[in-house]
Amino acid sequence: GEDVEQSLFLSVREGDSSVINCTYTDSSSTYLYWYKQEPGAGLQLLTYIFSNMDMKQDQRLTVLLNKKDKHLSLRIADTQTGDSAIYFCAESIDTASKLTFGTGTRLQVTL
Amino acid sequence: DTGVSQDPRHKITKRGQNVTFRCDPISEHNRLYWYRQTLGQGPEFLTYFQNEAQLEKSRLLSDRFSAERPKGSFSTLEIQRTEQGDSAMYLCASIRGGNTEAFFGQGTRLTVV
Repeated sequence: GEDVEQSLFLSVREGDSSVINCTYTDSSSTYLYWYKQEPGAGLQLLTYIFSNMDMKQDQRLTVLLNKKDKHLSLRIADTQTGDSAIYFCAESIDTASKLTFGTGTRLQVTL
Repeated sequence: DTGVSQDPRHKITKRGQNVTFRCDPISEHNRLYWYRQTLGQGPEFLTYFQNEAQLEKSRLLSDRFSAERPKGSFSTLEIQRTEQGDSAMYLCASIRGGNTEAFFGQGTRLTVV
């Protein structure tokens, strides 16, 4: 079955870059997503990438996809305290299908 | 309000009681999803509607769970004979057909005591 794995915790200093990693097992995954969850708030879509792309950049966010290794990463440049949250990697086989989420990575940004 | 709305935000119930949650999706979003999130985990898919039709149900959705979307707009999720293991955050999401971004509500936190 599908499985999405992430490391549980990452701590970075304000101004540094953060890199959050994710691995998935479903080779039919077509869409790969990064969601952000802040306390008391719903999930917010940050960015997504199609499986036929290697990289996508959106302002401070860079997504890298290694389809051969089924590895996805999210890089946040110039990390700010407001970036402190839980980040979820998710995959789906098409836009209508359910999302399969990882366990989430808690990002802590220190001064 | 243009977001996904869920009601109630919090629910505390005694074991064995029935509970019902409501989700109002974004207007004109024909697809609606229910997820469950337990502490320290990512959301897990429960069920999915396209308009009023329930198209997929997870194995997580036991016989005690039922979901409806009678007019293709709002949806309800009912849990009968609640158990302590049902304690979780129940999330609703909606998406317009053909689009990529699913919009999530803030969830209903259920505590079974």
